[in-house]
Amino acid sequence: GQNIDQPTEMTATEGAIVQINCTYQTSGFNGLFWYQQHAGEAPTFLSYNVLDGLEEKGRFSSFLSRSKGYSYLLLKELQMKDSASYLCAVRAVNAGGTSYGKLTFGQGTILTVHP
Amino acid sequence: NAGVTQTPKFRVLKTGQSMTLLCAQDMNHEYMYWYRQDPGMGLRLIHYSVGEGTTAKGEVPDGYNVSRLKKQNFLLGLESAAPSQTSVYFCASSQTGGGGTNEKLFFGSGTQLSVL
Repeated sequence: GQNIDQPTEMTATEGAIVQINCTYQTSGFNGLFWYQQHAGEAPTFLSYNVLDGLEEKGRFSSFLSRSKGYSYLLLKELQMKDSASYLCAVRAVNAGGTSYGKLTFGQGTILTVHP
Repeated sequence: NAGVTQTPKFRVLKTGQSMTLLCAQDMNHEYMYWYRQDPGMGLRLIHYSVGEGTTAKGEVPDGYNVSRLKKQNFLLGLESAAPSQTSVYFCASSQTGGGGTNEKLFFGSGTQLSVL
């Protein structure tokens, strides 16, 4: 099975930088996704990592260390609209097959940005 | 662009009633999914489909059935609703299922279902 851990809640100040961590335990790791979900809305895709290192996309960056089972999402120059839940999702494959996108999601980290 | 459309947005059922949630996508995606989201538990996969005419069980399939008669539609049925099925249901689709960014999920706006 898979186990994914994220902090439940975080708070930060507008204009600051925040790092949301995600640790996972899984066999057959084959990629990690981050999604953003505003309250009452659908999740939307933010980033994907499958190799170790940092992927940068504007104000958002995502890092992966496969050996440590660890990822983080870095949000820079925080804005009020960044207040949302951030979901970490791990993809795993079985030997000889694929997971067909059967991701395992963490419970999400609710980020609140204050003025 | 419509993307993924779910209906209805809200529904209240009595225990034992049945209903069908409708999902349609206009992106020509092969893969479609039904998830449920409960507080503190994250999104959990109910059923999924890798193409027209195919369906498969996910993590929490009991009490649900699905059908994918047309590529663009994926229906989720509850034959006899139970209070434990009170949840927010999301339909999603992806271009492929082979990994990579093409497997990123596009979600519908969700259905809030309450079973009394």
